[in-house]
Amino acid sequence: EAGVAQSPRYKIIEKRQSVAFWCNPISGHATLYWYQQILGQGPKLLIQFQNNGVVDDSQLPKDRFSAERLKGVDSTLKIQPAKLEDSAVYLCASSFSVGQNSGNTIYFGEGSWLTVV
Amino acid sequence: AQTVTQSQPEMSVQEAETVTLSCTYDTSESNYYLFWYKQPPSRQMILVIRQEAYKQQNATENRFSVNFQKAAKSFSLKISDSQLGDTAMYFCAFMKQRGGSNYKLTFGKGTLLTVNP
Repeated sequence: EAGVAQSPRYKIIEKRQSVAFWCNPISGHATLYWYQQILGQGPKLLIQFQNNGVVDDSQLPKDRFSAERLKGVDSTLKIQPAKLEDSAVYLCASSFSVGQNSGNTIYFGEGSWLTVV
Repeated sequence: AQTVTQSQPEMSVQEAETVTLSCTYDTSESNYYLFWYKQPPSRQMILVIRQEAYKQQNATENRFSVNFQKAAKSFSLKISDSQLGDTAMYFCAFMKQRGGSNYKLTFGKGTLLTVNP
């Protein structure tokens, strides 16, 4: 079974430029997550989708970050304009949410490393 | 809000020995899930083990086992016969049900484990 796919793996941009990350979840997974992980910290949830609807974007800096999940499958996370403090690994994850006894394990992609200079 | 606390920023162990990583959490929920994830330098988040709160039996996966103390809100990870490949950051994570089939995963700050030859 294919895992969560992310691209690009690495990106270096200058501050005030824009960047976009793409994620393809595991086939059949209804829930998709974007996490930001700054070096030395645990991952922080930016946005969570259930199919193509947003469940939680309370920690998404909406003045510069945006995300969409058209057709309820792939997702794109965009940052515009980027700041130095956006340097982090952006982790995409997915899960198959069908209820308490289903497992609900979240599976992660390999991450997209962003360096803003 | 749920919080997850990992009080050991770094730990080390000799190869073939046993090590225990600590995790405590704070919640008013009665139904939830707990996870340990491993993150090697590649930054891929790899699921190590999961525990359902409604199960009294501690989960085990080969050399990995947990000590789940629900009343004390404690969830420690024991790694037996440590191997060099176990060197990584280990994150404890708490998952609660938001409502319906939506779940939220919250991470601790992580423990860096080094296995020495």
